[in-house]
Amino acid sequence: GAVVSQHPSWVICKSGTSVKIECRSLDFQATTMFWYRQFPKQSLMLMATSNEGSKATYEQGVEKDKFLINHASLTLSTLTVTSAHPEDSSFYICSVSTGRETQYFGPGTRLLVL
Amino acid sequence: DQQVKQNSPSLSVQEGRISILNCDYTNSMFDYFLWYKKYPAEGPTFLISISSIKDKNEDGRFTVFLNKSAKHLSLHIVPSQPGDSAVYFCAASARTSGTYKYIFGTGTRLKVLA
Repeated sequence: GAVVSQHPSWVICKSGTSVKIECRSLDFQATTMFWYRQFPKQSLMLMATSNEGSKATYEQGVEKDKFLINHASLTLSTLTVTSAHPEDSSFYICSVSTGRETQYFGPGTRLLVL
Repeated sequence: DQQVKQNSPSLSVQEGRISILNCDYTNSMFDYFLWYKKYPAEGPTFLISISSIKDKNEDGRFTVFLNKSAKHLSLHIVPSQPGDSAVYFCAASARTSGTYKYIFGTGTRLKVLA
């Protein structure tokens, strides 16, 4: 498998500020990473596919200008929540694709927007 | 519409007995199905997967069964242990543009009673 880390593990911010979340693949060079969001007691919803060296692919209903994704290297993808609002409060999880059917997930980042 | 459903939000099982978690899907184009285990505030951990061309896959205490005609899969855990208590998500995967994208079910909370 692949070992995936996320930073920070939790963050509290004021409404209107931007928050950056990092996803690192520690032992695998990942050309593809995914970003998910999970609201309390709900399923994990795919937000976007992060592609190294190219633009991310966003799922329907996800605003690309609000959730900026950068995948500048094979080991790092970042998700920036711009102008965060309380409704953006959620658990954000990234995963690494190894090219096969299994994805390996990071520990998640809990975001609380006040 | 929910393409992947887990109709039982929770399940309690006595230690040593069998746990059976169920998952239904609607899209016949899915080519892999996976089960993940998740603890609160952590990322999902991969358990077991099955290709759509198979009807059973076994790994230790975990067995996944796939019934394509019924669009149904199940995860059997035997014997169940208290450490198995967690939320279990099934995921259906389809290869899109060279990557496997997931659709997750809503999860089943398993509680194994000592």
